[in-house]
Amino acid sequence: EIVLTQSPATLSLSPGERATLSCRASQSVSNSLAWYQQKPGQAPRLLIYDASNRATGIPVRFSGSGSGTDFTLTISSLEPEDFAVYYCQQRSNWPPGLTFGGGTKVVIK
Amino acid sequence: QVQLQESGPGLVKPSETLSLTCTVSGDSISSYYWTWIRQPPGKGLEYVGHIYYRGSATYNPSLKSRVTISVDTSKNQISLKLKSVTAADTAVYYCGTLGVAASGIKHWGQGTLVTVSS
Repeated sequence: EIVLTQSPATLSLSPGERATLSCRASQSVSNSLAWYQQKPGQAPRLLIYDASNRATGIPVRFSGSGSGTDFTLTISSLEPEDFAVYYCQQRSNWPPGLTFGGGTKVVIK
Repeated sequence: QVQLQESGPGLVKPSETLSLTCTVSGDSISSYYWTWIRQPPGKGLEYVGHIYYRGSATYNPSLKSRVTISVDTSKNQISLKLKSVTAADTAVYYCGTLGVAASGIKHWGQGTLVTVSS
C-alpha cells in the first residue's frame, strides 16, 4: 500500500501570505496525484489533478507541482475563503486504488 | 453537469449490513469510474472502493472482505454494501466520479452520515 504523508499538520498564516503544503509518497506515484480542499460540513472539492492541472473553476492562486514521491500545493496569496483542510490523494494501478494523506489544516494566524 | 445523491439508512445496528445508493443525474453512468469514500467524524478521508460500469470493482484492502460495490445501469445508480459493521464504520459516506485515467475525484455527492449503534 502506498502511504501519503502530509506536512505540516497545521499551517498558521495570515490572509495575503503564501501557503506551501507538502505531500510525500512512500513510493513513486509518477504524476498521479490530486489535491482537495474541504470546509466544515462540505464534501471535498478537487483543486488539482495529475499533480499540476487545475480543476475547472479553480482560481489561479492554487498551483500544484512535483512528481514521483514529492509534491507541493501552493496558494500564492491566501484569501479568507482558503482557510480549510487540504488533502492529497494518489491513484495507482498497482496495487490498484486510491489513498489519501492525513490532511493539512490551514488556519488564520 | 453530473450530480450525485447518496441515500440510505442513517442508523445501522452493529453486525448488520450497511447499504447505500448513489443516484446519478446529468451524465451517463458509462462516462466515469465510480468511487465510494468515507470520513469518520472529525477524521480524514478513506477510500472504500471503485468500479467501472462494465468491470469488476476494486476495494480498499482493509475493507475487502466486507464490502461490495455494484452498478445498476438501468437505474443510473451505484450501490455500496458493507457487512458486519461496527462503530468504527460510523462515517459520512460520499460517492464520486473518477476519470478513466485522471487522478482526481471531480464530482462528489453531498455525503450521508451513517451511524453504527444499537
